Amino acid sequence: AQSVTQLGSHVSVSEGALVLLRCNYSSSVPPYLFWYVQYPNQGLQLLLKYTSAATLVKGINGFEAEFKKSETSFHLTKPSAHMSDAAEYFCAVRVNSNYQLIWGAGTKLIIKP
Amino acid sequence: KAGVTQTPRYLIKTRGQQVTLSCSPISGHRSVSWYQQTPGQGLQFLFEYFSETQRNKGNFPGRFSGRQFSNSRSEMNVSTLELGDSALYLCASSQDRPGDTQYFGPGTRLTVL
Repeated sequence: AQSVTQLGSHVSVSEGALVLLRCNYSSSVPPYLFWYVQYPNQGLQLLLKYTSAATLVKGINGFEAEFKKSETSFHLTKPSAHMSDAAEYFCAVRVNSNYQLIWGAGTKLIIKP
Repeated sequence: KAGVTQTPRYLIKTRGQQVTLSCSPISGHRSVSWYQQTPGQGLQFLFEYFSETQRNKGNFPGRFSGRQFSNSRSEMNVSTLELGDSALYLCASSQDRPGDTQYFGPGTRLTVL
């Protein structure tokens, strides 16, 4: 069965510091991978997605993620955190044979001034 | 294009009542998925509809049901409400390819008293 693991339910970084949110998946076939962001009291918004083109994917708001097949990872990074990045981030995976998205538990990103 | 809309945005019910939530997908999207989000359980998949048929189902009791109409609009119903049903209910729509993005509505906040 497919699964998604996000390491750390809460991640705290200082403003201007590197943001690294970790996502590992299990899938026996090439997956489609997604990162979403959720601001308080809102729905989820797509940050970026991997669909088997370039392994380094650039998204909105300066975020990017790298697909590493050997590590079954799709970690999300941003070089310099901004206060407006404080939100909850979700990683999700979908394989071709099943249209359902499998979601990670989410990581709350806290930005310290 | 208009985004995914959900009505109502907020709802307060009492235990034992039933509730119907509505979701209008983005024009042209035929897949609609429903999720329950709570602080304790995170994002939980309820079900997905495509062309008026339930294509995927999560692990929820039969009190949770849904349907999709010919115009792709979807409703979900919860009968015999319990306190634990208090949650943010999110609807997402997409086209019908595995790599397609799910676009989320703002959610319906259900409070059961």
